Amino acid sequence: EIVLTQSPDFQSVTPKEKVTITCRASQSIGSSLHWYQQKPDQSPKLLIKFASQSFSGVPSRFSGSGSGTDFTLTINSLEAEDAATYYCHQSSSLPTFGGGTKVEIK
Amino acid sequence: QVHLVQSGAEVKKPGSSVRVSCKASGGTFNNYSISWVRQAPGQGLEWMGGIIPLFGTTRYAQKFQGRVTITADESTSTAYMELSSLRSEDTALYYCAKGPFYYDPSGYPTPESFHFWGQGTLVTVSS
Repeated sequence: EIVLTQSPDFQSVTPKEKVTITCRASQSIGSSLHWYQQKPDQSPKLLIKFASQSFSGVPSRFSGSGSGTDFTLTINSLEAEDAATYYCHQSSSLPTFGGGTKVEIK
Repeated sequence: QVHLVQSGAEVKKPGSSVRVSCKASGGTFNNYSISWVRQAPGQGLEWMGGIIPLFGTTRYAQKFQGRVTITADESTSTAYMELSSLRSEDTALYYCAKGPFYYDPSGYPTPESFHFWGQGTLVTVSS
């Protein structure tokens, strides 16, 4: 099983600040890494697929990068509505998720 | 517009089984994968398994092998997840998720990214 390790676990950020979340895979997964946003009491939503491809309708302030074992989700100019927990997910082999990163607005 | 509508909340006794449904509307049903992902209270996401309705092929996480069965009814565009031998640790919100699939190096269809999600079904296991 491929293990995904996210960091940090929690981040408290002021609006308009830049947020960076990392996801490290226990072995190389190419670009088979996807990012989701889950707001409280809501289902997860796909933000980024295959490391850097934005999903339809996702605001341009969300971007992804990386390949192999190290990946990054960046939120440029954080907005209040971005308060959520963010998860990475790999599909290189049977799916697994990272532990999540909770982003709080200061 | 793709919609996944899941069945309602369930309360089950330890040792029993639960079956949750996920009805898809909008878009194609057969040519995608349907996965089941659960989330225990206050915890993260955990993939349980998935099915490709076009082929009827299933893949399960090792943790749930032998205890979970995922099926799909193409005629009603509905997927089902049955979990048996329930224990208190199975108390969780269960989501279905639809997305593309790809062929892994051994040629087996495998879920890719999860484009659309159901609203979740709360399963409570309690004596």
